[in-house]
Parts: sequence; structure tokens; C-alpha cells
Amino acid sequence: KAGVTQTPRYLIKTRGQQVTLSCSPISGHRSVSWYQQTPGQGLQFLFEYFSETQRNKGNFPGRFSGRQFSNSRSEMNVSTLELGDSALYLCASSSESSVDTQYFGPGTRLTVL
Amino acid sequence: QKEVEQDPGPLSVPEGAIVSLNCTYSNSAFQYFMWYRQYSRKGPELLMYTYSSGNKEDGRFTAQVDKSSKYITLFIRDSQPSDSATYLCADNQAGTALIFGKGTTLSVSS
Repeated sequence: KAGVTQTPRYLIKTRGQQVTLSCSPISGHRSVSWYQQTPGQGLQFLFEYFSETQRNKGNFPGRFSGRQFSNSRSEMNVSTLELGDSALYLCASSSESSVDTQYFGPGTRLTVL
Repeated sequence: QKEVEQDPGPLSVPEGAIVSLNCTYSNSAFQYFMWYRQYSRKGPELLMYTYSSGNKEDGRFTAQVDKSSKYITLFIRDSQPSDSATYLCADNQAGTALIFGKGTTLSVSS
């Protein structure tokens, strides 16, 4: 079974721009969560989607948003990028029967200049 | 948000050593704990998970939860250079949101 895939793997943007990241979960997994990882703050939860609905949300500003499609693929969007948004963005998926066990993708490395 | 704390290390050990990685949590409610391993430039990989107090073993890895002291420990026996990575403990305190420690970096030298 293929793992979680994320595209693109690397991205360079400038302040003020917006960016969209994509995540394809493991086949059959309907829950997709997004995390931000930085050296200073570690891994922090952004939000979680299940069956196209946001089910849980972390403590991030409204510039961070996401959505999930009917095939469970998910995207997250960051608008008006700031230097502090430079991070590794990780997507994780889990099955309905074991929502606590999350499997991560390789991440998208975002650099904001 | 409740915290999960880890000593960041780095922790350096020789090949074959027994490694003990610790994590503490603050929420006293019954919880579900996980250990992830993350290699450089990779996403976290699930190693082990456990619901209850006591030990859970998987090959060279043992996860131990002590609810009385709020300690979570991952033991690695016969450590190998390939075990060199950052180890993250996580707690499922918020439903489907995992609360992570900042990770402990382990280096195993041959």
C-alpha cells in the first residue's frame, strides 16, 4: 500500500505571496491532519479533516486554511506569507477504525524569503 | 494546550548500547501515547503506540508508561547506527490532534 504523498517537496516563496500544498492520504484513510514543524516550536497541529469537514483545529491564524476533497485528498493554503511561516509542513492520515494512529508523509519544505 | 516535554539531547551512545529516551506529560487523564522516529529531511515514522501503563515490546524497542509519575520511556536495545534519528513522543490529548514533544536527537556511533 502506498504511503502518504505530499507535493511539492520543496517550495520557495516571498513574503506576501500565498501557497497551496497538497496531500494524498493512504488509500482508504479518510482522516487527514496537517502539522507545522519548526526547529523552535517542534511539531504543531494545524487542522484535521474527515469526510471533507474540518473536525479539529489548532491555534494558528486564519491565514492558514485547508480543505478536503471527496477522494480524501487534502490541500492547505497559507495566504500573505510571513518569514516565520518557513517550516516543514507535514500531512498525516489515519483510518476510521484507528484514528489515533497517524501516518506521516515526507513533508513540504517551505522557505519564505 | 497540555504539554509534552522531552530532553532535546543530543544523546550520543556507542553501537550496542541500551538507550533510554524519556518524555513527560502534564495531563492526568487517561491517554494514548506514541513514539515516532524522524530521520533528517523525512517525515516522522510511527514506531510504537500504547494505551495503558506498563510495557509494550516490539523487537528491539520497548515503550513504557508510568502514569503515577507521568513518564513515558522508549528503550532501544542493541542500538545500531541506523537508529540515529530524532525520536518524538506524542500524546493524543485532543481527539485526533497529536501533541508532540520537541524530540530527542540520538546518535549511535559504530
